Amino acid sequence: GAVVSQHPSRVICKSGTSVKIECRSLDFQATTMFWYRQFPKQSLMLMATSNEGSKATYEQGVEKDKFLINHASLTLSTLTVTSAHPEDSSFYICSATDPSYEQYFGPGTRLTVT
Amino acid sequence: SQQGEEDPQALSIQEGENATMNCSYKTSINNLQWYRQNSGRGLVHLILIRSNEREKHSGRLRVTLDTSKKSSSLLITASRAADTASYFCATDNKKGAQKLVFGQGTRLTINP
Repeated sequence: GAVVSQHPSRVICKSGTSVKIECRSLDFQATTMFWYRQFPKQSLMLMATSNEGSKATYEQGVEKDKFLINHASLTLSTLTVTSAHPEDSSFYICSATDPSYEQYFGPGTRLTVT
Repeated sequence: SQQGEEDPQALSIQEGENATMNCSYKTSINNLQWYRQNSGRGLVHLILIRSNEREKHSGRLRVTLDTSKKSSSLLITASRAADTASYFCATDNKKGAQKLVFGQGTRLTINP
């Protein structure tokens, strides 16, 4: 089946720094990518919808200036957490839809802000 | 916002028993999907059921959908220790590149 990768799988950064997370569709062109955040023992919360070549659509309550999303190609979307704080520590998961709208999830990125 | 509610939130059973998890949602849907997540890992897609379907099987999994009650159930038969994980339902309400709304999840523990 289709594969979506994320890099890095884990990252630890200091408070105030920015962190970039990559989401790639490895064997298909992703018309749309989604970014989710998951706090411990909680469910996934959609942060934003990303379409190639256009601005991301953010869910209510998600700060677009803090969570910068770039979808520069049909196989790559990036999420940059700017000026990270400990409360941004979370598990970030992306998903990508192929041209038939099947959705595939990445393995997630564990962000820890110290 | 989360529209799915799942119950139970946690379920602990003996290996070999059947496990049933339920999911309810609030708005009309196009599809409902079930996912498994092992601790600290990504999601594994289990099964998709469309709004015009009532039941679907895949191996030891059986999913039902009752659109009149806006609810679904996931049954895992003859459970194994490897089934220990969190299980989430997710709904979408639009054809095309749909965004998924996840339920709160059920943490399933299978005791050997």
